[in-house]
Amino acid sequence: GAVVSQHPSWVICKSGTSVKIECRSLDFQATTMFWYRQFPKQSLMLMATSNEGSKATYEQGVEKDKFLINHASLTLSTLTVTSAHPEDSSFYICSARRGVTEKLFFGSGTQLSVL
Amino acid sequence: RKEVEQDPGPFNVPEGATVAFNCTYSNSASQSFFWYRQDCRKEPKLLMSVYSSGNEDGRFTAQLNRASQYISLLIRDSKLSDSATYLCVVNRAGGYQKVTFGTGTKLQVIP
Repeated sequence: GAVVSQHPSWVICKSGTSVKIECRSLDFQATTMFWYRQFPKQSLMLMATSNEGSKATYEQGVEKDKFLINHASLTLSTLTVTSAHPEDSSFYICSARRGVTEKLFFGSGTQLSVL
Repeated sequence: RKEVEQDPGPFNVPEGATVAFNCTYSNSASQSFFWYRQDCRKEPKLLMSVYSSGNEDGRFTAQLNRASQYISLLIRDSKLSDSATYLCVVNRAGGYQKVTFGTGTKLQVIP
């Protein structure tokens, strides 16, 4: 099956720093990538939808200036958490799909802890 | 009303039991449907796609009812390893291609 690689798996950083998370589709071209956040014992929450070559579409309540998404190629999307604060500590997961009705393939997630 | 709704559970069932989950969706333009399984602190993994004619994969059966706008997942002969959260996923195409997750249904299979 298709593989989506997400790095890093975990990161610990000081408050105020920025953290970049990468999501790569290794063996297919992803027309769309999605970024999610999941707090402990809660469901996945979609943060934004990213189409290659265009601006990401953010869900209501997600600050686009804080969570910068870049989808510069069909195989790479990045999420940058700018000026991270402890309340940004969460599990961040990306997913990718080839076409509109195709299944999603998920990265393994990034556990972010902001001290 | 949420676009995709699931009973959060938890469903606590004994080993060997049959358990069924439902998921309702509100947008009739939804085009494709999936069940994913998520273990604690792991990424969701595809369990099965859901087809209009219904489909089966071993102990798992998925069905779609477009008229009533719901999908279901039936698990027969539950195993301890089936304990997880089951997520219903609905794709909607269009100018704004959108994937919507249900909140998930937690299943705990008890020895």
